[in-house]
Amino acid sequence: EVQLVESGGGLVQPGGSLRLSCAASGFPFTSYGMHWVRQASGKGLMWVSRINSDGSVTTYADSVKGRFTISRDNAKNTLYLQMNSLRVDDTAVYYCARGGINCISGNCYSYGLDVWGQGTTVTVSS
Amino acid sequence: DIVMTQSPDSLAVSLGERATINCKSSQSILFSSNNKNYLVWYQQKPGQPPKLLIYWASTRGSGVPDRFSGSGSGTDFTLTINSLQAEDVAVYYCQQYYKTPHTFGQGTKLEIK
Repeated sequence: EVQLVESGGGLVQPGGSLRLSCAASGFPFTSYGMHWVRQASGKGLMWVSRINSDGSVTTYADSVKGRFTISRDNAKNTLYLQMNSLRVDDTAVYYCARGGINCISGNCYSYGLDVWGQGTTVTVSS
Repeated sequence: DIVMTQSPDSLAVSLGERATINCKSSQSILFSSNNKNYLVWYQQKPGQPPKLLIYWASTRGSGVPDRFSGSGSGTDFTLTINSLQAEDVAVYYCQQYYKTPHTFGQGTKLEIK
């Protein structure tokens, strides 16, 4: 079964740090780019960050750039999000998601986030 | 950044009827190298993560019922749900996958009338 399981969320004070983990199973982790998406309570989805399959390319939303770092350990099939200098408005459920790939006639193209974890809750409050 | 705008914010449709949700991007999300529109639709039910419904604007995801369909190109897109079922009550989001940041629309809440 294809599965993503997040962990590491919790309550942290403003200015603090947390590291989220996302354990992947049931698919060749090294073949897929991975993403983090967050959702504040009662609000919409916000894309946070992306890392390519070998970890060499990372991209961030402006609101987290310089504070968050995405990484992966392909030997452990695990995705990470290191969150520093946390702010109250970072409070949200954080989802990890797989970047889907569809190959047509030998050419492979990304197409969206096709597998999602259940999410881990991060609360930033004093 | 590409801004994604959905309409309406909410709608109520009777069981068995058709629901239509629109999504507009602030710039074209048509990828010239493969002629695909990098527009994705997700369904999110309460307490659950989003589920991919439609990608490349009109291709149904694995296991998605054929009452869900997507259309559009360039900057204007539509999600249509035919023969609305009770289990279709959810919030629906569009997302552009053309370039980062992969922005989402604000969501459309679908209810039963």
